[in-house]
Amino acid sequence: NAGVTQTPKFRVLKTGQSMTLLCAQDMNHEYMYWYRQDPGMGLRLIHYSVGEGTTAKGEVPDGYNVSRLKKQNFLLGLESAAPSQTSVYFCAARDSNQPQHFGDGTRLSIL
Amino acid sequence: GNSVTQMEGPVTLSEEAFLTINCTYTATGYPSLFWYVQYPGEGLQLLLKATKADDKGSNKGFEATYRKETTSFHLEKGSVQVSDSAVYFCALKVRAGGTSYGKLTFGQGTILTVHP
Repeated sequence: NAGVTQTPKFRVLKTGQSMTLLCAQDMNHEYMYWYRQDPGMGLRLIHYSVGEGTTAKGEVPDGYNVSRLKKQNFLLGLESAAPSQTSVYFCAARDSNQPQHFGDGTRLSIL
Repeated sequence: GNSVTQMEGPVTLSEEAFLTINCTYTATGYPSLFWYVQYPGEGLQLLLKATKADDKGSNKGFEATYRKETTSFHLEKGSVQVSDSAVYFCALKVRAGGTSYGKLTFGQGTILTVHP
């Protein structure tokens, strides 16, 4: 997964704190995605981007914001963290007609 | 809407046993189908894919055939190894056109544990 890098890998927050997860890709791919992975629920799409400067809502966008100011970076923000946002977050990137490449994930715990 | 249903896990097998993980789907439009694998502590990796009916995807001894008539894409391997222990996800992507933008719909994942 050298092409998609997520930082940080682990983080513990208190309820109400804010933070930003960074996804960086070096493949010059147009499309980027943020998912959350919860036990028994597979991966669910939070937000996605079809190119620099664009973002769109996915399946579970509430409580999250995203930005794609540069093509290689896709940021996921939590303005006021809640325990329900405890999850493993995955970023993915792809080019046209190609499969998605995933990062190694960020494990986030909200106390 | 689109959905993917995988067989309930976890699945526990002995080395060299035969593996089947069932996957069925519902989709608006004509989907492409995928199996992703997630090894412990890692992200998802594409294992195999099929883009049209009757196509067979294969990789690392795993196979899956796109069955449109039964809306299924079951994953099989004839002889599993300890190193195959992982979580397996079935997923679909509806063809471009409209606003799909390549979004994947995942099943809930199946945990596979292979014992020596």
